[in-house]
Amino acid sequence: SQQGEEDPQALSIQEGENATMNCSYKTSINNLQWYRQNSGRGLVHLILIRSNEREKHSGRLRVTLDTSKKSSSLLITASRAADTASYFCAGSARQLTFGSGTQLTVLP
Amino acid sequence: KAGVTQTPRYLIKTRGQQVTLSCSPISGHRSVSWYQQTPGQGLQFLFEYFSETQRNKGNFPGRFSGRQFSNSRSEMNVSTLELGDSALYLCASSLVGQLNTEAFFGQGTRLTVV
Repeated sequence: SQQGEEDPQALSIQEGENATMNCSYKTSINNLQWYRQNSGRGLVHLILIRSNEREKHSGRLRVTLDTSKKSSSLLITASRAADTASYFCAGSARQLTFGSGTQLTVLP
Repeated sequence: KAGVTQTPRYLIKTRGQQVTLSCSPISGHRSVSWYQQTPGQGLQFLFEYFSETQRNKGNFPGRFSGRQFSNSRSEMNVSTLELGDSALYLCASSLVGQLNTEAFFGQGTRLTVV
């Protein structure tokens, strides 16, 4: 079973716009991680936010975590065509459990 | 430094056969985890090995097994293959475990069972 559910399942935006993806999870976690996957390839770690953190930044990425609502969001600012990929959240408890992913398409 | 290497990249097997997939983690990483990715079920955790011991296991049948060697390289074996085992198998390495640190994924092995 999957820990998280991403919303939306698919998102299409123009280059330069911001992209926001949301993730909800079911059980208590130690931390929440976001990964990116280009079509059919391996996952690339983007950012890790611990359960006692509320917000974290890394370059054009901003992640928030609300443990009371069991939800997280990933914001990509000033998107580029190269950001086109699937994005997954993964809750970390005894193991990493991935959500279903958001397919982001950035149109040039 | 070299990344996570998975071999082979692609594999076609027949129902009933068995298959062994290999994963070489990043040098110095002691934890290796395996995941199965399918369009229907998404990314599902198979098992994690740390210092040659299975530390955690997902909800997969006993046909799925693995091991880790003293150099941290890991193998995953699937016996009596079924059509539903067709998937992308991903391995991830991390220093001491991916629960608190980032995991580095290989490019995966695409297994097709016919």
